[in-house]
Amino acid sequence: QSVLTQPPSASGTPGQRVTISCSGGSSNIGSNTVNWYQQLPGTAPKLLIYSNYRRPSGVPDRFSGSKSGTSASLAISGLQSEDEADYYCAAWDDSLNGYVFGTGTKVTVL
Amino acid sequence: QLVESGGALVKPGGSLRLSCAASGFTFSDFYMNWIRQAPGKGLEWVSYISSGSSYTNYADSVKGRFTISRDNAKKSLYLQMNSLRAEDTAVYYCARDRSGQVGDAFDIWGQGTMVTVSS
Repeated sequence: QSVLTQPPSASGTPGQRVTISCSGGSSNIGSNTVNWYQQLPGTAPKLLIYSNYRRPSGVPDRFSGSKSGTSASLAISGLQSEDEADYYCAAWDDSLNGYVFGTGTKVTVL
Repeated sequence: QLVESGGALVKPGGSLRLSCAASGFTFSDFYMNWIRQAPGKGLEWVSYISSGSSYTNYADSVKGRFTISRDNAKKSLYLQMNSLRAEDTAVYYCARDRSGQVGDAFDIWGQGTMVTVSS
């Protein structure tokens, strides 16, 4: 069950900035860190952002994350064609004692 | 690296055991998880197990039907799936918790194994 809400789609032209929102509640985003995953077509998800804003080694600094209250956002600046993918937010949920994922956002590069 | 296996076509009510073989890191130091993705749908966390197998938990959708386990000597993670339903049809991924504690990010994912439940 998806407890975190994301817009189903987002788009932009090459070079533009795209932002994806992720809305949750007090038991998940409100009290735990947020992670973001990128899933390219036909592949396994890949960790993109962890602990709200940290990037794993190898992830371009075009990708940035932030969190405020019970919401978080992922920004992609300088959009490139290879950024066309599905993006998911996720967080630990204290009430469920488990992880919850966002509904997912498909990013299209026009 | 994580490599899943065991996915198959199974009839409703049937059972299946998935495996995930780890390499390249100290498997026994990390919490491990199963995550699934139904065709054309989003990601759903299924279960986690602590590094020493003391703690486990499951999504409500699989509680009482699925059992997660691990063998640290074999560097392997398992998911025993019983009483399978059509809605369990999905690609199943194993994934590692980044920091060695529960509640962190999934930093290593397998390629996934497909489970299809159909008569």
